[in-house]
Amino acid sequence: KAGVTQTPRYLIKTRGQQVTLSCSPISGHRSVSWYQQTPGQGLQFLFEYFSETQRNKGNFPGRFSGRQFSNSRSEMNVSTLELGDSALYLCASSSTSGSALGAKNIQYFGAGTRLSVL
Amino acid sequence: QKEVEQDPGPLSVPEGAIVSLNCTYSNSAFQYFMWYRQYSRKGPELLMYTYSSGNKEDGRFTAQVDKSSKYISLFIRDSQPSDSATYLCAMSATDSWGKLQFGAGTQVVVTP
Repeated sequence: KAGVTQTPRYLIKTRGQQVTLSCSPISGHRSVSWYQQTPGQGLQFLFEYFSETQRNKGNFPGRFSGRQFSNSRSEMNVSTLELGDSALYLCASSSTSGSALGAKNIQYFGAGTRLSVL
Repeated sequence: QKEVEQDPGPLSVPEGAIVSLNCTYSNSAFQYFMWYRQYSRKGPELLMYTYSSGNKEDGRFTAQVDKSSKYISLFIRDSQPSDSATYLCAMSATDSWGKLQFGAGTQVVVTP
């Protein structure tokens, strides 16, 4: 089974620009979560999508947005980039099925998109 | 104060030693507990998963959850240089299981 695929792997942008990152979940997974990872703040939750609906949202400004398509693929967008947005952006997918109650909660991560804002 | 506290290390151990990692948390709603391993410039890889309290063993790895103390642990037996990585604890609540709260991650270095 193919894992979570994130594209592109690397991006360089300048302040004020916008960027769109893409995530293809594991086949059959309907939940996609996004995280930002920086040396200072660690891994922070951005948002989670399930069946094209945002189900949970972290404490990030409105410049960060996302969406999910009917095939469960997801995109996140950051508008008006700031230097502090430089980070590794990680996508994780999880299944909603499983024999154990908690099995649906297991999140599998992609390799991430490393964004540098100059 | 962060919801999940984890000592960032680095933690240096000789090959063959037991690595002991832990996290504390403050949110009593957390029910799902995970340990991830992350190599440099890679995404986190799930190592262990526990629902509610108890112990779980998988090969050289043992995860423990003590909900009464809000404390979780990961032990790695017979450590190898290939175990050198950052280990992240993560947890979530039943009503928001898609939202993981992570610890800061502990950098582990296993020296030959």
